[in-house]
Amino acid sequence: EVQLVESGGNLVQPGGSLRLSCSASGFTFRTYAMHWVRQAPGRGLECVSAISSSGHTTYYTDSLKGRFTISRDNSNNTLYLQMSSLRPEDTAVYYCVKASGSWYDGVYFDYWGQGTLVTVSS
Amino acid sequence: EIVLTQSPGTLSLSPGERATLSCRASQSVSSSYLAWYQQKPGQAPRLLIYGASSRATGIPDRFSGSGSGTDFTLTISRLEPEDFAVYYCHQYGRSPWTFGQGTKVEIK
Repeated sequence: EVQLVESGGNLVQPGGSLRLSCSASGFTFRTYAMHWVRQAPGRGLECVSAISSSGHTTYYTDSLKGRFTISRDNSNNTLYLQMSSLRPEDTAVYYCVKASGSWYDGVYFDYWGQGTLVTVSS
Repeated sequence: EIVLTQSPGTLSLSPGERATLSCRASQSVSSSYLAWYQQKPGQAPRLLIYGASSRATGIPDRFSGSGSGTDFTLTISRLEPEDFAVYYCHQYGRSPWTFGQGTKVEIK
């Protein structure tokens, strides 16, 4: 059974930093691309960042302007999202999502974690 | 960016009725890279349909997807109590990959 368990969400002040983690099990982690998708309270879904199966190639949505960094540890089946210079508009539930293939483009999202809440507020 | 517009915003139906949800794209979605997800309150989205018409593993056959180009449809043939939720379409053919704003299927 595929399981994705996020952690690291918290209340943080504007300008602060946070690192999200996602522990994966039930599939061969190193062979699939992974994504982070966020959902602001009462809002829709937004693709934030993605990483190829090898970890060599990454993608970020334009609005992040270099504030987030995605990475993965294939030896420990863990996905990360390092978030810095956080803004109130980054407040959302962040989902760890498994892609259906090894490349992050042209793939649908077949499994989602339960999400971790990031709140940016003073 | 491909903008996905879902309609209606809310669908009020009774169990046993047929639900038809629409997703219209601002540009053609390449290779029918269109998926549908179901989300219940407090839960993560769940994949229902990919490739516009292929059901994901374990999804009942009352769910079906159709369409191509810019117009896509999710049909639930007979609503079960557990089907009342929010449904999102998602295009994954061209970055930035985008979602529709969602259609809420509520009990009438």
